Amino acid sequence: SAVISQKPSRDICQRGTSLTIQCQVDSQVTMMFWYRQQPGQSLTLIATANQGSEATYESGFVIDKFPISRPNLTFSTLTVSNMSPEDSSIYLCSVRTGGNEKLFFGSGTQLSVL
Amino acid sequence: EDQVTQSPEALRLQEGESSSLNCSYTVSGLRGLFWYRQDPGKGPEFLFTLYSAGEEKEKERLKATLTKKESFLHITAPKPEDSATYLCAVWSGSNTGKLIFGQGTTLQVKP
Repeated sequence: SAVISQKPSRDICQRGTSLTIQCQVDSQVTMMFWYRQQPGQSLTLIATANQGSEATYESGFVIDKFPISRPNLTFSTLTVSNMSPEDSSIYLCSVRTGGNEKLFFGSGTQLSVL
Repeated sequence: EDQVTQSPEALRLQEGESSSLNCSYTVSGLRGLFWYRQDPGKGPEFLFTLYSAGEEKEKERLKATLTKKESFLHITAPKPEDSATYLCAVWSGSNTGKLIFGQGTTLQVKP
């Protein structure tokens, strides 16, 4: 298993500003994932972050809006840029360990945009 | 296109009243089906992985089963602490390894 620390746990932001979410893992992992969970919805993958390469974004998500950093094997950040109320969601960091597809999740960042 | 559908959306049970949650999936070559539990304000917590039809796994009051088209999460004699949203996700061979999640079933168990 993996212990994932994510911060901030929640934030209230003004329209047009940006927020950077941090994800720290207690072990080295190759792949880290960022998910979004909109109110009443399930989880949608935003992007996959591999250390040493550019993040891979899913359809509907672009780097200018959700830039991602992955400086080492235990840390990643997701920035939500130029926020609007539609960005109000829970953002979740997850990692894959053990050579299989079992994902472990952080506790999430509850973002509200006014 | 890979798709996961969970039913019901919400389920209310009395303590001790057993029931089942359903996860129907359409994927190109299932490589794994996952069940997660999510409490309000928290990230999903891993419960089970099932890899092939006929496989079953148990944990306390929960039992997950898998067929070629669906999975069930059976809850036996539930307690109020089992109240949560239960998420089903599939990993298929048609993508890069990402999980496709269903909408979830929100379970409420009343004492």
